Amino acid sequence: DAGVIQSPRHEVTEMGQEVTLRCKPISGHNSLFWYRQTMMRGLELLIYFNNNVPIDDSGMPEDRFSAKMPNASFSTLKIQPSEPRDSAVYFCASSLLQGETQYFGPGTRLLVL
Amino acid sequence: EDKVVQSPLSLVVHEGDTVTLNCSYEVTNFRSLLWYKQEKKAPTFLFMLTSSGIEKKSGRLSSILDKKELFSILNITATQTGDSAVYLCAVEQGGSEKLVFGKGTKLTVNP
Repeated sequence: DAGVIQSPRHEVTEMGQEVTLRCKPISGHNSLFWYRQTMMRGLELLIYFNNNVPIDDSGMPEDRFSAKMPNASFSTLKIQPSEPRDSAVYFCASSLLQGETQYFGPGTRLLVL
Repeated sequence: EDKVVQSPLSLVVHEGDTVTLNCSYEVTNFRSLLWYKQEKKAPTFLFMLTSSGIEKKSGRLSSILDKKELFSILNITATQTGDSAVYLCAVEQGGSEKLVFGKGTKLTVNP
């Protein structure tokens, strides 16, 4: 099993640009999670999907952030426009069923200049 | 507000030492507590605890949960340099799949 796949692994962009992060969950997993990790705030849940449907997006910081899951094998997290304070590592995780262990992808390290 | 507090924030030990990492929580509708190990990449799963007083063990690592006092500990015996990492504690809320993470304990094991 390839595990959770994220791309890109690193992204450097300028303030104001649109950023799209991608995630492919483990095949057969029904839940997908987007997290952000910073030194100051630690690991924070942004949004999660169950069977491709967004269940809880209360962690999304503001309207500049949006996430989609068009099918069971793909999700995107978009930031438009990006700001320097969005610089962080963004993790995607998936789990088989509700309450099961979440498995994390390698993360996307985002730097907004 | 739901919160998970880990202590200490940082710990430096020598190989062979035994360490105990702490995690306390205040979460509505507790379902389970999880421990993850994070080296320079993604968190990797260690343990999931749902019942009080039942120790989970994997090699030199073990963990136990106290649901009355709302805390968990992670023990690592005979530490090795490869144990150096950030150890994250997370609590899952029942009725959702949300995990609330602590800030982590950074463990450094020196040879």
